[in-house]
Amino acid sequence: AQSVTQLGSHVSVSEGALVLLRCNYSSSVPPYLFWYVQYPNQGLQLLLKYTTGATLVKGINGFEAEFKKSETSFHLTKPSAHMSDAAEYFCAVRWMDSSYKLIFGSGTRLLVRP
Amino acid sequence: EAEVAQSPRYKITEKSQAVAFWCDPISGHATLYWYRQILGQGPELLVQFQDESVVDDSQLPKDRFSAERLKGVDSTLKIQPAELGDSAMYLCASSFGGPNSGNTIYFGEGSWLTVV
Repeated sequence: AQSVTQLGSHVSVSEGALVLLRCNYSSSVPPYLFWYVQYPNQGLQLLLKYTTGATLVKGINGFEAEFKKSETSFHLTKPSAHMSDAAEYFCAVRWMDSSYKLIFGSGTRLLVRP
Repeated sequence: EAEVAQSPRYKITEKSQAVAFWCDPISGHATLYWYRQILGQGPELLVQFQDESVVDDSQLPKDRFSAERLKGVDSTLKIQPAELGDSAMYLCASSFGGPNSGNTIYFGEGSWLTVV
């Protein structure tokens, strides 16, 4: 079955430190990949997406992610965390098969320590 | 910037009562989605429309949930009767292209449902 795995339900970093949020998906069929951010009591906002082309994707707020087909991964990074980055982050995958369903991971809550 | 509009933002209802949520997608977006997000989990697709037609409702509990998009624009999600386990946030989303495109899916602010 198709699945999206986000390692670590909570990640805590110090302000200014590197942010690394991990995402792996189950299939080797090249999918479309997305990262969304959710602030408390709000909907989801797109950070970045990969469809085709360059495997290193830059998004909003200084975030970027790299699609690694051989590792079936799409990890999200930011060189220097800011207090305002504290939120829930969701990786989502759309497989290019008959379902085209967008499936979300369970989310990672990022905590930023002063 | 155009947004997906949802109402109500918060709803408290008693078990066995009926509840409805409304969604107005971004103008021109043919594809509309309803997701359910239980606290601490990722969103789960309930139903997907392409214009007024249902494309995928395989995860919709059809004995109590219904969704419609009669004119291919706004949409209503109904739950009747509501159960305690339905407490969650219901997210509406829309995208310009069809489900097989890489187009961005835009989400509304969500409707929080608490069933007591």
